[in-house]
Amino acid sequence: SAVISQKPSRDICQRGTSLTIQCQVDSQVTMMFWYRQQPGQSLTLIATANQGSEATYESGFVIDKFPISRPNLTFSTLTVSNMSPEDSSIYLCSVETRTGTGYTFGSGTRLTVV
Amino acid sequence: AQSVTQLGSHVSVSEGALVLLRCNYSSSVPPYLFWYVQYPNQGLQLLLKYTSAATLVKGINGFEAEFKKSETSFHLTKPSAHMSDAAEYFCAVSDGDTDKLIFGTGTRLQVFP
Repeated sequence: SAVISQKPSRDICQRGTSLTIQCQVDSQVTMMFWYRQQPGQSLTLIATANQGSEATYESGFVIDKFPISRPNLTFSTLTVSNMSPEDSSIYLCSVETRTGTGYTFGSGTRLTVV
Repeated sequence: AQSVTQLGSHVSVSEGALVLLRCNYSSSVPPYLFWYVQYPNQGLQLLLKYTSAATLVKGINGFEAEFKKSETSFHLTKPSAHMSDAAEYFCAVSDGDTDKLIFGTGTRLQVFP
């Protein structure tokens, strides 16, 4: 299955700043996703990262707050903009390795906003 | 849209007792279903998945789940709990139209000696 490298693994950021998280996959994949896991909560899908076009955002998430890039089939970035303490979460990259039946997750980025 | 419901945010069992974690899905067609485990401060690990083959699915660490279409359920079981099974368990469903993976709210399993 695909191997995902997600960076950084953790960061502590000042409110009002932005952080860009990188997701690198060792093989070409069609579907890439970004999730958020707030403290003590489940995983919530932020958006589907589309190669060569704008990401598809889930209800409650907007491009201005979470801009996503996907320049090719192996790489994507998620930016958390104008951060507040409420953005403190684990952010995870995921790829679909087999249509509908196989998913791989990165190890996550643990973000703390102070 | 596909969704899953996990009944019980917390489940406590004694070591050696049966583990039963409940998951119900909402779908008019048989979906692809998954169980993931997350140990404290760790990433997600796939326990097992149902992809329309056998209805009884065996996973890692002695866990298994049975797909029951009549009950729209995919409950996770383990005959005998170990202390090391204490973790958060997530049921998830794959949306066949968009290939998105949608998670339930999770169940925290505690195992007492």
